[in-house]
Amino acid sequence: AQSVTQLDSQVPVFEEAPVELRCNYSSSVSVYLFWYVQYPNQGLQLLLKYLSGSTLVKGINGFEAEFNKSQTSFHLRKPSVHISDTAEYFCAVSDPPAFSGGYNKLIFGAGTRLAVHP
Amino acid sequence: DAGITQSPRHKVTETGTPVTLRCHQTENHRYMYWYRQDPGHGLRLIHYSYGVKDTDKGEVSDGYSVSRSKTEDFLLTLESATSSQTSVYFCAISEPPRNTEAFFGQGTRLTVV
Repeated sequence: AQSVTQLDSQVPVFEEAPVELRCNYSSSVSVYLFWYVQYPNQGLQLLLKYLSGSTLVKGINGFEAEFNKSQTSFHLRKPSVHISDTAEYFCAVSDPPAFSGGYNKLIFGAGTRLAVHP
Repeated sequence: DAGITQSPRHKVTETGTPVTLRCHQTENHRYMYWYRQDPGHGLRLIHYSYGVKDTDKGEVSDGYSVSRSKTEDFLLTLESATSSQTSVYFCAISEPPRNTEAFFGQGTRLTVV
């Protein structure tokens, strides 16, 4: 079964500093990879996704992630964070719908709480 | 935002009582999901559905049942609520190949006392 490990439960960082949130997943022949963000008392919003093709994917709010198949990783990065980036970030993996009966059943990591300080 | 409405948004209930959470979507997506979110576990899949009356169990389905009598509504029922079911519940929808990601509702915070 698929599994996702987010290596840091909390990441404190100062405003305008770079940040990397780490995510590793269990190996599979083909996977879709996602990063979602959750602001306090809200639902999950998609930041970015990797389906195939270029290993560097860009998302909203200046975030990007790199798919590394050999290391089964999908780390999220931002070169300069803002106070408004304070939130919880979830990495998730799914089998492509063609391999899962059309479903997009997500396996989530435990989440990383990013705290941006002035 | 995707047209997903969860109700109620907050609920406190007593142990042993039945509880039903509702997810309503206006996107005409065939696939719907229920997840629960707990600290240290992220989100875990409870049940999912493809179309009316087609449902299946997810990773943590014990103690839960679902029903889908209309495309737009997906109900999650706790037959006899327990304290371990205190959680935040999220509904999600998807419609491949038009969408390759799932869209989430705002969540329902359920407390079982």
